[in-house]
Amino acid sequence: TQLLEQSPQFLSIQEGENLTVYCNSSSVFSSLQWYRQEPGEGPVLLVTVVTGGEVKKLKRLTFQFGDARKDSSLHITAAQPGDTGLYLCAARPPSNSNSGYALNFGKGTSLLVTP
Amino acid sequence: DTGVSQNPRHKITKRGQNVTFRCDPISEHNRLYWYRQTLGQGPEFLTYFQNEAQLEKSRLLSDRFSAERPKGSFSTLEIQRTEQGDSAMYLCASSLVGQNYGYTFGSGTRLTVV
Repeated sequence: TQLLEQSPQFLSIQEGENLTVYCNSSSVFSSLQWYRQEPGEGPVLLVTVVTGGEVKKLKRLTFQFGDARKDSSLHITAAQPGDTGLYLCAARPPSNSNSGYALNFGKGTSLLVTP
Repeated sequence: DTGVSQNPRHKITKRGQNVTFRCDPISEHNRLYWYRQTLGQGPEFLTYFQNEAQLEKSRLLSDRFSAERPKGSFSTLEIQRTEQGDSAMYLCASSLVGQNYGYTFGSGTRLTVV
């Protein structure tokens, strides 16, 4: 089973629109990270959220960690073509699992912003 | 520092051949990770090192795969007797020790097995 479920899988919008993508799990995490990946490149870290209910802003991007630390959302305001990419959430397996230490990634949300 | 460097960027090989990829991490980072990514999927964990010690291997890492990190610096990932199902992007990342540190990824090696 996938540790992190991301939705939607694909999203195509026009420049200037707002959007929200989601990352959900049944597990509790001590922290969660969001990455953005462009075609042919490796993922690039956007943010780490640690505290339940935490909200972090990065220019037009707003990240929220759920109160119970099981889910997270990424909201983009006034999307631009430069926001196009694959948005990935990632977290380490819970310490009480036997799934190891390294980050597990969701399948990502592929965002296309057209002019 | 130039970030995480991976070589080659692209590799085309015939089925049954062996291939080796190299990763040079950020010099201050003592953790190094290998992931594999196929189209439409997020990166899947393969293995990671802390310094020269290989601390964790995924069940995805069959016995045809081997990774090394001699002297705790660069790392190599070798795939023996390649199969078409090995075609993927192989990503290397490095990080500092600590739960909340993010990973810095390289640009990956795109492997195509024909």
